[in-house]
Amino acid sequence: DAGVIQSPRHEVTEMGQEVTLRCKPISGHNSLFWYRQTMMRGLELLIYFNNNVPIDDSGMPEDRFSAKMPNASFSTLKIQPSEPRDSAVYFCASSLAARTETQYFGPGTRLLVL
Amino acid sequence: DAKTTQPTSMDCAEGRAANLPCNHSTISGNEYVYWYRQIHSQGPQYIIHGLKNNETNEMASLIITEDRKSSTLILPHATLRDTAVYYCIVSNAGNMLTFGGGTRLMVKP
Repeated sequence: DAGVIQSPRHEVTEMGQEVTLRCKPISGHNSLFWYRQTMMRGLELLIYFNNNVPIDDSGMPEDRFSAKMPNASFSTLKIQPSEPRDSAVYFCASSLAARTETQYFGPGTRLLVL
Repeated sequence: DAKTTQPTSMDCAEGRAANLPCNHSTISGNEYVYWYRQIHSQGPQYIIHGLKNNETNEMASLIITEDRKSSTLILPHATLRDTAVYYCIVSNAGNMLTFGGGTRLMVKP
């Protein structure tokens, strides 16, 4: 298995532009998570999906952030408009729910908003 | 409201056992203890988890005290590649994991 796949791996954009981050979870996993990591705030959970349905989005910082999971093999995290303070590493993780809570993380997308 | 307390950093000599402590004095009866690690520039990696019994796998051992208020992650023979930030997490909320600051382990030759 290729593991969790994220794209792009690096993104540099200008303030005000729309940014879309993509994630392909591990096949068969039915839970998907988006995290953001910064030096100041550490690793924060933004949103998670179970069976393609958003369960908890309380970590989404503001309305500029949105996430979708149109099917079991794909999710997007969109920032519109982007701001310099959104610069961070964004991780996607997936897990097989039921009685296990072990999450498998992707390599992350390093976002720099100028 | 931190559920776990870990030392900020630790050093370990290569080849020796690394013992990483974690305090979780407010853990509830149905909460598990999870350990993840994050090697520089990579995503976090699951290591091990347990409820009340000690656990061992190919990566590490987890020792949980009888009162479950603390635990220790043991890397039996640390290598340079074990240099990472190690996170201790307690959770019972389905798939929710809340990462704290972790312990930065430096394995030295």
